[in-house]
Amino acid sequence: DTEVTQTPKHLVMGMTNKKSLKCEQHMGHRAMYWYKQKAKKPPELMFVYSYEKLSINESVPSRFSPECPNSSLLNLHLHALQPEDSALYLCASSQAPDAAYEQYFGPGTRLTVT
Amino acid sequence: AQSVAQPEDQVNVAEGNPLTVKCTYSVSGNPYLFWYVQYPNRGLQFLLKYITGDNLVKGSYGFEAEFNKSQTSFHLKKPSALVSDSALYFCAVRDMYLNDYKLSFGAGTTVTVRA
Repeated sequence: DTEVTQTPKHLVMGMTNKKSLKCEQHMGHRAMYWYKQKAKKPPELMFVYSYEKLSINESVPSRFSPECPNSSLLNLHLHALQPEDSALYLCASSQAPDAAYEQYFGPGTRLTVT
Repeated sequence: AQSVAQPEDQVNVAEGNPLTVKCTYSVSGNPYLFWYVQYPNRGLQFLLKYITGDNLVKGSYGFEAEFNKSQTSFHLKKPSALVSDSALYFCAVRDMYLNDYKLSFGAGTTVTVRA
C-alpha cells in the first residue's frame, strides 16, 4: 500500500477562520512533508518532519503551523490566511529523509481563501 | 546547489508514437533523479528513479528513463504513447551528499497525446 490520504479534499475559508488540514500514511514512513502548489507550477516545500521532529521550515509564515502527533499523522493548522495562500496543499511521505528515497504524495487539499 | 531544467513547457505527440520528455540537472555531488506525473486535480505520482547502477531505468506504466552523466540528462521515454499519458510531468533531483531534505523540481512539462 503506497497511499497517502489527505482531508479535506476542498476547503474554503475566510481570512479570520482557523482550520486544519490532515494527512495520514500507514506505510511506516519516517519522513513527512508539506508542499504548496500553484496551478501548473512545481510543488514548493514548506515543512519536513523527520522521525516526528520538525527538520525544515522553509521560511513559511507563522499563519501556517505544522504538527506531527505521531509517525502516521501530519497536520497543518491554518489561521488568518491571505487570499494569496489559495493553492493545492500536498502532503508526502518517504521511507526516511535520505536522498535516495522517493516521496509518495497524497491527492492534496484544494484551499481557497476568501 | 542542485537544480533541474525541463526545456520544453509542452510536448505534443500522436497516440502510438514515441514520447520523450527532456530533463537536465545540476548538482555539486552525485545525483539521485526522479520522475513524477501529475494528472489534473491530483497529487504527484512517482514514476521512476535513478540511484546507481544501470543507466536505463524502467518504471511504472511503461515509462523508462536514461541517465547520461556526461550530458547531465535524465530524459523520460515511452515507446508508444497513450491518450491517458496526457498529464504534467516533473523531473526532480537530490544531491547524494546534501542532507537538506530538499527535492528540487523542474518547472514541469505538459504532455498532450492526441488520438
